[in-house]
Amino acid sequence: NAGVTQTPKFQVLKTGQSMTLQCAQDMNHEYMSWYRQDPGMGLRLIHYSVGAGITDQGEVPNGYNVSRSTTEDFPLRLLSAAPSQTSVYFCASSYSGSPRANYGYTFGSGTRLTVV
Amino acid sequence: DAKTTQPNSMESNEEEPVHLPCNHSTISGTDYIHWYRQLPSQGPEYVIHGLTSNVNNRMASLAIAEDRKSSTLILHRATLRDAAVYYCILRSPSNSGYALNFGKGTSLLVTP
Repeated sequence: NAGVTQTPKFQVLKTGQSMTLQCAQDMNHEYMSWYRQDPGMGLRLIHYSVGAGITDQGEVPNGYNVSRSTTEDFPLRLLSAAPSQTSVYFCASSYSGSPRANYGYTFGSGTRLTVV
Repeated sequence: DAKTTQPNSMESNEEEPVHLPCNHSTISGTDYIHWYRQLPSQGPEYVIHGLTSNVNNRMASLAIAEDRKSSTLILHRATLRDAAVYYCILRSPSNSGYALNFGKGTSLLVTP
């Protein structure tokens, strides 16, 4: 199994450009989420999804859009990139058994985004 | 949400045991205690989790205090590869439990 795959690994954008960060998992996990990690800080939740067709906002959703058309894929779209969005982005997925807190998350290796 | 408190950094010698503490005095009765680690330039990696009883897996052991107000992640023989930031996280089984609330974690330095 590949686990959680994120592409691209590195990206440089100009202010105002848009792009999509890809995330795919092959573990049939219902839960998927996006985090960002700024230098020297912990991860913060951007958006999450509890299944295909269902998404919700996390702690820092502004400037980002998500959709979940399949169980496997959860892309993150930057609408108009800003320097404040320079960060490392991690996608994560988890099994949805009950209680959900009894299961761990699998993380991707990250996308390092620089907005100039 | 219940918070966790961890030391900013710890240091260990290679091949010695490491005990990483975590305080969570406001933990609720249904919160699970999770540990993740993040190696340099990598995504977080699940290590172990538990509710009330001590837990063991191939990576580590988790010792949970009887009152559940603290826990300790135990690496039985530290290797250089164990140098990472270790995060202690509480997960609620309620709807608020989707997010992992990462704090600053404990930065573990392992010296040869």
